Amino acid sequence: DVKVTQSSRYLVKRTGEKVFLECVQDMDHENMFWYRQDPGLGLRLIYFSYDVKMKEKGDIPEGYSVSREKKERFSLILESASTNQTSMYLCASHQGAQTEAFFGQGTRLTVV
Amino acid sequence: RKEVEQDPGPFNVPEGATVAFNCTYSNSASQSFFWYRQDCRKEPKLLMSVYSSGNEDGRFTAQLNRASQYISLLIRDSKLSDSATYLCVVREGSSASKIIFGSGTRLSIRP
Repeated sequence: DVKVTQSSRYLVKRTGEKVFLECVQDMDHENMFWYRQDPGLGLRLIYFSYDVKMKEKGDIPEGYSVSREKKERFSLILESASTNQTSMYLCASHQGAQTEAFFGQGTRLTVV
Repeated sequence: RKEVEQDPGPFNVPEGATVAFNCTYSNSASQSFFWYRQDCRKEPKLLMSVYSSGNEDGRFTAQLNRASQYISLLIRDSKLSDSATYLCVVREGSSASKIIFGSGTRLSIRP
C-alpha cells in the first residue's frame, strides 16, 4: 500500500518560532510537493522538488523554505512562523507527468 | 488570471440528478489532466485521469477540449456519497513539472 506520511496531524506554534513539517514517501518517487489549503483559495503550491537537493519555488514561497536531502523525505520549514501561516499543509508525491499524485493526510498548523 | 479556474459552487442537487463541472486552464502547454475528489477534512484522492478522447468510469465521464482549454466532469445518477469537493488538476508534459490545482467545486447531494 503506497504511502505519504506527514509527521503531525495537528500542530500549534507561537509566532516567531521555527517550524519543521516533515513528509516521507515510500514509493521511491522523484517529485514531491508542498501545498497549503485555505478556504476559498484551494491548494496553493509552496515549493516542489524533482530530485534530491533540487527545489523549485511554487506560487507562494515567501516565508517558507524546503529541504530534500534524501529522496524519500521533503521538509517544509517556516523560518519564523506568523499567524497568516495558519493553514492546512499537504504534501504530495508522484513519479511522472502521467501518473497519479499521492497525498499525505495533511498537517493543520495553527500559529498563535 | 489563475492558471486553473473552477466554479466554486456549491452545487446542491437531488439524488439521481446529473451534474457537470467545468474547469479552464491558461497554459496551452499543459499535457496531463485529472479530476481529484476531496472529502471534508481528508486529503485529495485521484478520481480519474482525463484523456484527449474523453473517458468514462461508471457514472463519471471526463472530457478534454484543448481548443478551448477546458476539461469537464459529468456525474450521472448522483448518489449521496458523491458529496465532496472536486478538484481539477493540470500538469505540463515534463516529469519535473509542477501540479496545479483548481480551487475546487463543492458538490452536495440531497436525498
